Amino acid sequence: DVKVTQSSRYLVKRTGEKVFLECVQDMDHENMFWYRQDPGLGLRLIYFSYDVKMKEKGDIPEGYSVSREKKERFSLILESASTNQTSMYLCASSLRPPFGAYNEQFFGPGTRLTVL
Amino acid sequence: AQSVTQLGSHVSVSEGALVLLRCNYSSSVPPYLFWYVQYPNQGLQLLLKYTSAATLVKGINGFEAEFKKSETSFHLTKPSAHMSDAAEYFCAVSGTKTSYDKVIFGPGTSLSVIP
Repeated sequence: DVKVTQSSRYLVKRTGEKVFLECVQDMDHENMFWYRQDPGLGLRLIYFSYDVKMKEKGDIPEGYSVSREKKERFSLILESASTNQTSMYLCASSLRPPFGAYNEQFFGPGTRLTVL
Repeated sequence: AQSVTQLGSHVSVSEGALVLLRCNYSSSVPPYLFWYVQYPNQGLQLLLKYTSAATLVKGINGFEAEFKKSETSFHLTKPSAHMSDAAEYFCAVSGTKTSYDKVIFGPGTSLSVIP
């Protein structure tokens, strides 16, 4: 089974702190994603990566950056945490499909971040 | 632009009753459509997906969904609800046939099952 793990289930940080959220997948997937989940808004894509050292902005990249130095690891960085970044953060991974196909995204358990 | 709407942020059904969760989408290209389930304190898990083969799609745990192009709908059903079905359900759409498909998620529907 594909396993996507996230470094913390719960995290409490203070405003202005630098925050690192780590995600690791064990199935050699090319694509990795970071979403934030808020009630009534569903999942919104922050950043994704389709290869090592490659990254693309999603719908809400402001205030976030990412790093992918190894294929299995995708990190989300909050340079200076703010209270409006309090949310559930979900990491996902998928194979890069052949043209015209789709491959399922596999999700980690999520990190619930609270910024005080 | 693609979008997804889910009618009803909360749905309650009795154990053994029909489950119907509604999803409507907009897409300028033939879509891929998905239903994901999220149990408490867990990530999302794929229930089923439509990828332009059969319009009636069967998924895990007895769920199925029917793609209706004329109604731009992809409603999720299960004939008989079980207590273990209580969860958050997300409909999602993607439609560009590239090596990466951006997936748009709906706002979610929370399903409660009453004993």
